[in-house]
Amino acid sequence: GAVVSQHPSWVICKSGTSVKIECRSLDFQATTMFWYRQFPKQSLMLMATSNEGSKATYEQGVEKDKFLINHASLTLSTLTVTSAHPEDSSFYICSARDDRPYEQYFGPGTRLTVT
Amino acid sequence: GQSLEQPSEVTAVEGAIVQINCTYQTSGFYGLSWYQQHDGGAPTFLSYNALDGLEETGRFSSFLSRSDSYGYLLLQELQMKDSASYFCVRGGSTLGRLYFGRGTQLTVWP
Repeated sequence: GAVVSQHPSWVICKSGTSVKIECRSLDFQATTMFWYRQFPKQSLMLMATSNEGSKATYEQGVEKDKFLINHASLTLSTLTVTSAHPEDSSFYICSARDDRPYEQYFGPGTRLTVT
Repeated sequence: GQSLEQPSEVTAVEGAIVQINCTYQTSGFYGLSWYQQHDGGAPTFLSYNALDGLEETGRFSSFLSRSDSYGYLLLQELQMKDSASYFCVRGGSTLGRLYFGRGTQLTVWP
């Protein structure tokens, strides 16, 4: 089956610094990737749609200047949390789709803690 | 909007059958999916309904009624490993955007 990896799996950073999270599709090419965040015991909230070779599409209420997304190739998308604050602490999950729009393959997630 | 409603918790014993219901808002509807997520893990795809009716995949089945804006996930012959969160998910566009419900925490007791 399709495999999506994320790196790092967890990260702790100080308030005001930036953190980059990588999402890779390992055995297929993903023209579209998605970024979600999930707070404990809550649902996944779609943050943005990452399109290879073009600008990301952000969901309403998500600050595009704070959450920078780059989809540099068909197998790699990155999310950079800029000037992180404690309220940005969350579980960030990426996903990728192939030809079927209703099925996404999720990465294992990155747990970000901002101190 | 994209809101979906599903129960927050369900409990059952091994071997039993459980049905998790989901209702959704109809604007921009592109099908209903179900995902499973174990604690700390990644969501995994279970099933998808674009049209009315029942889809069966092993012990899991999913049903959709578009006229009622309603669907359900049916889990049969429950096993301890089925304890997880189950998300009702709607497609939001042909681009593949997915919008997750709040999730139903299923606990299976021996």
